[in-house]
Amino acid sequence: QKEVEQNSGPLSVPEGAIASLNCTYSDRGSQSFFWYRQYSGKSPELIMSIYSNGDKEDGRFTAQLNKASQYVSLLIRDSQPSDSATYLCAVPHSGTYKYIFGTGTRLKVLA
Amino acid sequence: EAQVTQNPRYLITVTGKKLTVTCSQNMNHEYMSWYRQDPGLGLRQIYYSMNVEVTDKGDVPEGYKVSRKEKRNFPLILESPSPNQTSLYFCASSNIPRGPSPLHFGNGTRLTVT
Repeated sequence: QKEVEQNSGPLSVPEGAIASLNCTYSDRGSQSFFWYRQYSGKSPELIMSIYSNGDKEDGRFTAQLNKASQYVSLLIRDSQPSDSATYLCAVPHSGTYKYIFGTGTRLKVLA
Repeated sequence: EAQVTQNPRYLITVTGKKLTVTCSQNMNHEYMSWYRQDPGLGLRQIYYSMNVEVTDKGDVPEGYKVSRKEKRNFPLILESPSPNQTSLYFCASSNIPRGPSPLHFGNGTRLTVT
């Protein structure tokens, strides 16, 4: 089992729809979780951090964390073509502080 | 402005010619790290450093060296580059372990080794 798993996609959604991106992790001691957006050839850009169970909203983005199920998700409401990118889930390892990245989910928002 | 600065952005070199990619951060972060990114393989960690003079291997350290003589700088050294090191490289820093903290990335260095 990979330490951080994401569906590689592509996930295609129509403009204006909700995009739902999922991430599972294996380290039960992990305390912080991050979502990054990466456009092709560019550096990852932090879009959400979440540290406690439940939902965290920031504009059109909502992060959801369920530590019991070792699951973190990202919802993008009112998806726009400019949201088309690869979304990376990152989880620092509880013992080493090494950041473990998923391989990313490629999102396509169709105009 | 808080940032991680990498140089150069683009680099083309030949096999065996030593090169250094510089990385500097102005956020007083203790943690710094280098990643390479290849199509289909995602971000893979090369080396990381928890503080000055403390470095550790990541997942793909072979063929690379790093040093951390000052808190703000973390250069990546390729002593004898080979074509399989052609990749997109990112430097990143974080305030972990002072508390939960995301990684802040530099703009990347695209390296081509011929």
